[in-house]
Amino acid sequence: DVKVTQSSRYLVKRTGEKVFLECVQDMDHENMFWYRQDPGLGLRLIYFSYDVKMKEKGDIPEGYSVSREKKERFSLILESASTNQTSMYLCASSFPRRITEAFFGQGTRLTVV
Amino acid sequence: SQQGEEDPQALSIQEGENATMNCSYKTSINNLQWYRQNSGRGLVHLILIRSNEREKHSGRLRVTLDTSKKSSSLLITASRAADTASYFCATEETSGSRLTFGEGTQLTVNP
Repeated sequence: DVKVTQSSRYLVKRTGEKVFLECVQDMDHENMFWYRQDPGLGLRLIYFSYDVKMKEKGDIPEGYSVSREKKERFSLILESASTNQTSMYLCASSFPRRITEAFFGQGTRLTVV
Repeated sequence: SQQGEEDPQALSIQEGENATMNCSYKTSINNLQWYRQNSGRGLVHLILIRSNEREKHSGRLRVTLDTSKKSSSLLITASRAADTASYFCATEETSGSRLTFGEGTQLTVNP
């Protein structure tokens, strides 16, 4: 059974904290993605990675960074959490340029207080 | 900016009726995919249509793609209460590995 696992289902952090969201996939996928989901805005791409140590900015990278040191793990970092980063964060992975779908983790609901 | 835009934003129908959702996009694509999301959960893949295909079926799902209009539609036939969920289209752009989603359609199927 294919699996994308996000480290936390729910997370509460304080403003100004550095926050790490971890995502691990066991399918040997090259591509990994981080999205945030807000009501009425759908899924917005924050960053994606197409190989180890490779990354590209998505549509809303400001306030975020990512790390991909190993193929199976893609971390999203909030350098200094702010209340407007309260959201649902979704990680996904896929094979590149193949006719296959992306697989999603269960999501992390982050609240910044 | 969002690559895909779904229409309508919300749809409410009775069990047994058909549900149609539309998606428009802006750039050249390798494929277009439809996903389903139950409340507060991750997304689950439903169906993928390649850029050189015009129609595809999977069970009660029918997807069409019109690359000249940069649009797609998802038809769910004989809907059930269990189909209640949010539905998203996503496009894989020809320029690379980027996978971009639309804003979604919230479907409610009333028993």
